[in-house]
Amino acid sequence: SFVLTQPPSVSVAPGTTARITCGGTNIGSDSVHWYQQKPGQAPVLVMYYDTDRPSGIPERFSGSNSGNTATLTISRVEDGDEADYYCQAWGTSDDPVFGGGTKLTVL
Amino acid sequence: QVQLLESGPGLVKPSETLSLTCTVSGVSIDNYYFNWIRQPAGKGLEWIGRFYGSGRTTYNPSLKSRVTISVDSSKRQISLRLTSVTAADTAMYYCAREVITFHSYFDYWGQGTLVTVSS
Repeated sequence: SFVLTQPPSVSVAPGTTARITCGGTNIGSDSVHWYQQKPGQAPVLVMYYDTDRPSGIPERFSGSNSGNTATLTISRVEDGDEADYYCQAWGTSDDPVFGGGTKLTVL
Repeated sequence: QVQLLESGPGLVKPSETLSLTCTVSGVSIDNYYFNWIRQPAGKGLEWIGRFYGSGRTTYNPSLKSRVTISVDSSKRQISLRLTSVTAADTAMYYCAREVITFHSYFDYWGQGTLVTVSS
């Protein structure tokens, strides 16, 4: 089955840029979606089809996907961005797969 | 406004059947797919399965032998049944709407319902 690999944690200072990666074989040929989950809350979609932002998501959030790595980039990181982030894709099956999640810490 | 509300027993005994319901408001069930996704405490998200109209379902292969997802359109409810539960099934269970496009995403989630498997 398709495996998506995320770093367990990423730490950045406020005002800097956070990059959260999602690795998978030839993931650049797939569509990747990203979710933000804050403690005690349900996941929230923050990026879909690699680079599209849902309404209400700040422009500071952007995405890219090429080769074997998809990346969620958060510019000018704020304290409120601290959360777990999950990537989701499909691979060659018709079943969705999630990455293991990355905990973003704002120092 | 789209709302998904999960409900069901918070405690299930080992070897018994877990039954949950997701009640949908603000949107027609017929125009979207609906999924169940779970998350053990402190761990990641695991897709359980999907109902995608006209009685069609797909399930995570690792759970397929124990899972049934069904829909009651008149009640706007999507149900999940998971048989022969063990402690490994203890998790927060989410209902999520899937947009009907190729290799799609989950745009609305319920708040989740916590299920504990314990005697």
